[in-house]
Formats: sequence, C-alpha cells, structure tokens
Amino acid sequence: DAKTTQPTSMDCAEGRAANLPCNHSTISGNEYVYWYRQIHSQGPQYIIHGLKNNETNEMASLIITEDRKSSTLILPHATLRDTAVYYCIFRKNYKLSFGAGTTVTVRA
Amino acid sequence: GAGVSQTPSNKVTEKGKYVELRCDPISGHTALYWYRQSLGQGPEFLIYFQGTGAADDSGLPNDRFFAVRPEGSVSTLKIQRTERGDSAVYLCASSLDPGGTQYFGPGTRLLVL
Repeated sequence: DAKTTQPTSMDCAEGRAANLPCNHSTISGNEYVYWYRQIHSQGPQYIIHGLKNNETNEMASLIITEDRKSSTLILPHATLRDTAVYYCIFRKNYKLSFGAGTTVTVRA
Repeated sequence: GAGVSQTPSNKVTEKGKYVELRCDPISGHTALYWYRQSLGQGPEFLIYFQGTGAADDSGLPNDRFFAVRPEGSVSTLKIQRTERGDSAVYLCASSLDPGGTQYFGPGTRLLVL
C-alpha cells in the first residue's frame, strides 16, 4: 500500500496558522488524499480531502503540489481545541490506510 | 443530525469470553466499516459492508472475529474466545456510498483481562 510521511509532532501558537506537511511520493493517480484528526479519546474526525486541486472548507485548506507528491493542511487560526493527532492518509476505493500521524499541540 | 453511535463505550471482559460490539451508522448510509486502533497507533481496517454483505473482510485478524449487518443498517462485531491482545479501541465508520467520506463513531474501548 502507498504510504504517507508526516512529522511525528509539531507545536503551534494559538491564533496563528498551522501548516501540517505530508509527503506521499508513491501516490497513484486515482488515490485521494484525506485528512482526519483525532482528539484524545474520540473517534477520528474528517477534515478535508482532495485529488488534484486545492480545497477549502470551514475547517481548513488543503494545498496539493502539482506533482501530487506532497500536500499541506492549513488550519488558518489555530485554537487550543485543535490540539490533536492529525492523519494524512490515502483512500483507494473504500479503505483508509492510517499511519502514525502528527501530534499537534496548540499553545496559548 | 445524529452521527455514528457505538455501544458500549467501554467493555471489560475476561480472557476466553465472548463479546459483541454494536455500531449504529448514520441514517441512510449504505457502507459501513470497522477499524481497530491499538494504543499509540492509527486505526487499522478490519471489514467493510456494502448493504448487508461483507464486501471485504480481509482485515479481520483471525476466525475468532466475525461481523454481521443483517438489515443493512446496524452492525455487530463479534469476538469469540477473547485474548489479551484483542484489547484495543474498535471504531466504526459509515459513508453514504462506498466511495464517500467516512464518518467515525466514538469507538468502543475493549479491555481483556
């Protein structure tokens, strides 16, 4: 299965934009990039997904490079409640393949 | 609207016992998925239902694990002869159709003593 690579952890300041990188150099043409987050003791929460184009919704923006080998999730104004593990994953057909994710800590 | 619900939220059992974990998907969602998450790791796929049938059960670890979805809505994950290594959070997700975004429930935390 294709794999993603994310930093193990990162800190960001409350009120600032948080930029979460993800490398997926082995992604194939029909695989979507999905981002989920998991706040402690809860189920994963869907954030956003994309195939080729940049996407934006009420939670975040997703920037995908033209060659599709990497992407960045942007939380425009991080709050303390955004502290969570963020997963960048592929979806091929119906399976989601989670890695270890990035532990993001938002600090006041 | 209501999201995916799972019961019980926590289950403690003894080695060798049988357990059932229930998932209520979002109303109208035809696809249902089970995942398992061990401590410190990301969720791992177990099984996927499209309607009443298991379309892919390749992630089930062995034949002690079985899941059903008899009416195409609620699903039950069944574990026979539980082992301590089965301790994990069992997550259920549903999507409107097989290609759709998966929405997760809160999970059932299973502890096998």
